[in-house]
Amino acid sequence: DAGITQSPRHKVTETGTPVTLRCHQTENHRYMYWYRQDPGHGLRLIHYSYGVKDTDKGEVSDGYSVSRSKTEDFLLTLESATSSQTSVYFCAISESGGFEEFFGPGTRLTVL
Amino acid sequence: QKEVEQNSGPLSVPEGAIASLNCTYSDRGSQSFFWYRQYSGKSPELIMFIYSNGDKEDGRFTAQLNKASQYVSLLIRDSQPSDSATYLCAGLIQGAQKLVFGQGTRLTINP
Repeated sequence: DAGITQSPRHKVTETGTPVTLRCHQTENHRYMYWYRQDPGHGLRLIHYSYGVKDTDKGEVSDGYSVSRSKTEDFLLTLESATSSQTSVYFCAISESGGFEEFFGPGTRLTVL
Repeated sequence: QKEVEQNSGPLSVPEGAIASLNCTYSDRGSQSFFWYRQYSGKSPELIMFIYSNGDKEDGRFTAQLNKASQYVSLLIRDSQPSDSATYLCAGLIQGAQKLVFGQGTRLTINP
């Protein structure tokens, strides 16, 4: 398995609280991605990074921010969580920009 | 309309038969396509990719790409119960270094 970990793996939080999810890789891949997965929607891209401090928005970026201060870490922050952000969040890495993405184990987030 | 469309299924196939999974895309600039398999409660894993028109075979799996019809398919021969999973089709957006995924097709292989 590609060296990708996500933390926490499960989280329950309340509406309006800030939440940060962490993705850590040991593969030194340039590209990192955050997706959310909901029934009937497949995987939807939230934000991605193409290098340290280089990030861009995906198709469902509203309400989310990201940061990448080191090659190995990509953080996803929900500034004020809402119930609509209840989902499973996956991090993925790629050496060559979308080609052969490897996924982390996922984080199940529940916002009450 | 999503850029990559799949029939969400469920698709039910008897063991030993050929399972055929289909995907259409709207962006003619998409050059490469990927099939991911996702078991329930697990993360997606890449099983095949294709970027040339025609067929690409890997063991029991065959990926097919028809750029004129904007159509991608995955055939699984001699289907096994262990092939039961959700299959996600994804297209690589040209020049954008990111994938667009379809909704996924849930496949069940019946013993």
